[in-house]
Amino acid sequence: NAGVMQNPRHLVRRRGQEARLRCSPMKGHSHVYWYRQLPEEGLKFMVYLQKENIIDESGMPKERFSAEFPKEGPSILRIQQVVRGDSAAYFCASSPGRLMAEQYFGPGTRLTVT
Amino acid sequence: AQTVTQSQPEMSVQEAETVTLSCTYDTSESDYYLFWYKQPPSRQMILVIRQEAYKQQNATENRFSVNFQKAAKSFSLKISDSQLGDAAMYFCAYRSQAGTALIFGKGTTLSVSS
Repeated sequence: NAGVMQNPRHLVRRRGQEARLRCSPMKGHSHVYWYRQLPEEGLKFMVYLQKENIIDESGMPKERFSAEFPKEGPSILRIQQVVRGDSAAYFCASSPGRLMAEQYFGPGTRLTVT
Repeated sequence: AQTVTQSQPEMSVQEAETVTLSCTYDTSESDYYLFWYKQPPSRQMILVIRQEAYKQQNATENRFSVNFQKAAKSFSLKISDSQLGDAAMYFCAYRSQAGTALIFGKGTTLSVSS
């Protein structure tokens, strides 16, 4: 019964580089959510995906950020041309269905932009 | 827009004692879910307890219980018989029944002393 997996756990990027964060949901879960946690803050919703579809991206910055959840493989959150303000912990959560209340979180990826 | 407020940035408790963490929220909806998540130093988000708004009975999970006051839009967490392992950041979260995103408060850091 593996939980939500995220990798890498820690990622260091220089300004202007690309960051790719991966999330494998729990077995049997087809709904994935991405959240960002800035220092001393709560988590903020970014995007909600089902397999091959973006359902709600109301929390995603308009530029440089994108997400996908392909038919095969993990969900990917991509940040292009990273800036210092992107430094944060990025959490992925999954649920078996949209109507299920609980979201189960992965351990997060801590992104540091130098 | 829904908001979640945790007015206690920090709380402390002695082992074996009881502590209550406060949470208030603002919504115009009648059907929703409320959660408490625990984030220990490992940063893993752990679901502690959930409450459905339509249920009048307060949820309980072992040493954790909530006091849900729907009219007052209040959702406090009581930890009984506190243990050293309870030391963590605790987040209150809201999700509308029709929505997908969890809306988090800023968190309360709980320290437990022996």
